Amino acid sequence: DVKVTQSSRYLVKRTGEKVFLECVQDMDHENMFWYRQDPGLGLRLIYFSYDVKMKEKGDIPEGYSVSREKKERFSLILESASTNQTSMYLCASRPSRAQETQYFGPGTRLLVL
Amino acid sequence: AQSVTQLGSHVSVSEGALVLLRCNYSSSVPPYLFWYVQYPNQGLQLLLKYTSAATLVKGINGFEAEFKKSETSFHLTKPSAHMRDAAEYFCAVSVGEGFQKLVFGTGTRLLVSP
Repeated sequence: DVKVTQSSRYLVKRTGEKVFLECVQDMDHENMFWYRQDPGLGLRLIYFSYDVKMKEKGDIPEGYSVSREKKERFSLILESASTNQTSMYLCASRPSRAQETQYFGPGTRLLVL
Repeated sequence: AQSVTQLGSHVSVSEGALVLLRCNYSSSVPPYLFWYVQYPNQGLQLLLKYTSAATLVKGINGFEAEFKKSETSFHLTKPSAHMRDAAEYFCAVSVGEGFQKLVFGTGTRLLVSP
């Protein structure tokens, strides 16, 4: 079975802190994704990586950056957390073909105070 | 821009009743379409997907969906609801160069009463 793990299920941070969310997949997938999920808005793509050290902005990249130094790991970074970044963050991975299934981690619920 | 519309943020059914969750997409070319389910406190799990093969797609847990190009729809159905089907359901369409990204609908929460 494909496994996508996220470093924390719950996080509480202060405004202005630098926040790292880690995602690891064990299926040698080329593509990895970071989404945020908010009630009534569904999932929105923050960043997408199609290979190591390669990244592409999604629909809402402002305030976020990403890092992919190894194929299995994709990190989301909040450079200076703000209260409007309080949300559920979901990571996903997928083989390179677009019709393949995206496999999701359990999510990290981030609260920024 | 390509998008997905899910009609109804909440759908309530009785156990044993038909489940119908609606999804309409906008796309200039036949896309790839997906239905995902999210159980409480979990990530998303694929129910089924359309990738330009058969228009009637069967998925897990007794769900199926029919791709109708003329109606730009991909509605999800299940003949008989179970309590365990209570969850949030998301429709998604592939977009962008090479259809590499997904755009998700806003989700429909299915409530199942005894």
